[in-house]
Amino acid sequence: AQTVTQSQPEMSVQEAETVTLSCTYDTSESDYYLFWYKQPPSRQMILVIRQEAYKQQNATENRFSVNFQKAAKSFSLKISDSQLGDAAMYFCAYRSADFGNEKLTFGTGTRLTIIP
Amino acid sequence: NAGVMQNPRHLVRRRGQEARLRCSPMKGHSHVYWYRQLPEEGLKFMVYLQKENIIDESGMPKERFSAEFPKEGPSILRIQQVVRGDSAAYFCASSRGLDSYEQYFGPGTRLTVT
Repeated sequence: AQTVTQSQPEMSVQEAETVTLSCTYDTSESDYYLFWYKQPPSRQMILVIRQEAYKQQNATENRFSVNFQKAAKSFSLKISDSQLGDAAMYFCAYRSADFGNEKLTFGTGTRLTIIP
Repeated sequence: NAGVMQNPRHLVRRRGQEARLRCSPMKGHSHVYWYRQLPEEGLKFMVYLQKENIIDESGMPKERFSAEFPKEGPSILRIQQVVRGDSAAYFCASSRGLDSYEQYFGPGTRLTVT
């Protein structure tokens, strides 16, 4: 079974600065997908960024980028120019590429605080 | 384009009652997933359904919990004889399936068992 580990329960960053959230995972599969979701106080789960394991290029979405290291099974999220609206819980998630095995496995989350 | 809809948003049940949670997927999405989030924890997969079929229920408790996604209407997660430990946020997600692997989440239903 796959596992996802987020070793930083809490992080804080000064507004406009850059912060990196860590995520490692364990799998024996070679093809899979990785995601970062954001959960603000409203509790709505918002997809931030996704990465296909077969792609070597790191995904980027505006101020959000990932550092995907397949051999190390590491998938960190970098938030540049942090804004107050970035304050939330961030969850890393794994999904197999196997047909029918579509469940997401989540980490325990990192609570990000933005300091004005 | 409406997102994933869940109702009710908040549900209070006494121990022993039944809870019914509803989920309407995004337009064009035929795959539905249910997850549970206990306080201060991450989301845990419960069940994956397509229309009229349960594809994966490996995360569903063996007793008291059931799910369906009928040909017409929303997906329903049903919890019979609720206990205090069932208090949690229940999230539904949907995806288009086929070549689309992204899941989009609803706002969740917060179930409180008194």
